[in-house]
Amino acid sequence: EIVLTQSPGTLSLSPGERATLSCRASESVGSVYLAWYQQKPGQAPRLLIYGASSRAIGIPDRFRGSGSGTDFTLTISSLQPEDVATYYCQQYNSYPITFGQGTRLEIK
Amino acid sequence: EVQLVESGGGLVQPGRSLRLSCAASGFTFDDYAMHWVRQAPGKGLEWVSGISWNSGSIGYADSVKGRFTISRDNAKNSLYLQMNSLRAEDTALYYCAKDSSSWDWYFDLWGRGTLVTVSS
Repeated sequence: EIVLTQSPGTLSLSPGERATLSCRASESVGSVYLAWYQQKPGQAPRLLIYGASSRAIGIPDRFRGSGSGTDFTLTISSLQPEDVATYYCQQYNSYPITFGQGTRLEIK
Repeated sequence: EVQLVESGGGLVQPGRSLRLSCAASGFTFDDYAMHWVRQAPGKGLEWVSGISWNSGSIGYADSVKGRFTISRDNAKNSLYLQMNSLRAEDTALYYCAKDSSSWDWYFDLWGRGTLVTVSS
């Protein structure tokens, strides 16, 4: 199974700053088979990014996904207070589907 | 309104069974694969099982293979998860999740979850 490792575990930034979240795969997941989800406290996850870089419907353009192969990045430009959440990457290149352990984003 | 609503969770003793249901509305259910994803208390997300639009393709995580059975009834717009031989480590919030297509394996709609607690 493909193991996804996210870093950092926790990120604490101020409003308006840029957040860079990393997701590294134990083997290649190709160029497009990577998704990102946002899970706010007490809520279900929400799809942010699919195909490594395509934003889901209704997702603001301050969320940007990039990368291919084994290294992927979610960038959130100009952090807003409502971005407080845990962010998960997920690969769907090979069975079984796997998720990273999550990066918790805090706003100072 | 496009939504998924899970039900059937509860407190169950180890070794017993439980059946979860997910009612879908607001979209053409039989156009999409469906999945179950769980989250243990304070932990991350774990994919449990998925089923294609016509039930022709089914997959399970190794952790539940042989104990859990996924099924769907397209006439009732419903997804199910039959969980047998439950263990303490199956304790989690179980989410129903809609695939983005007939079998893409990423999830563009989630329910709010139903809590399963396995304890004596």
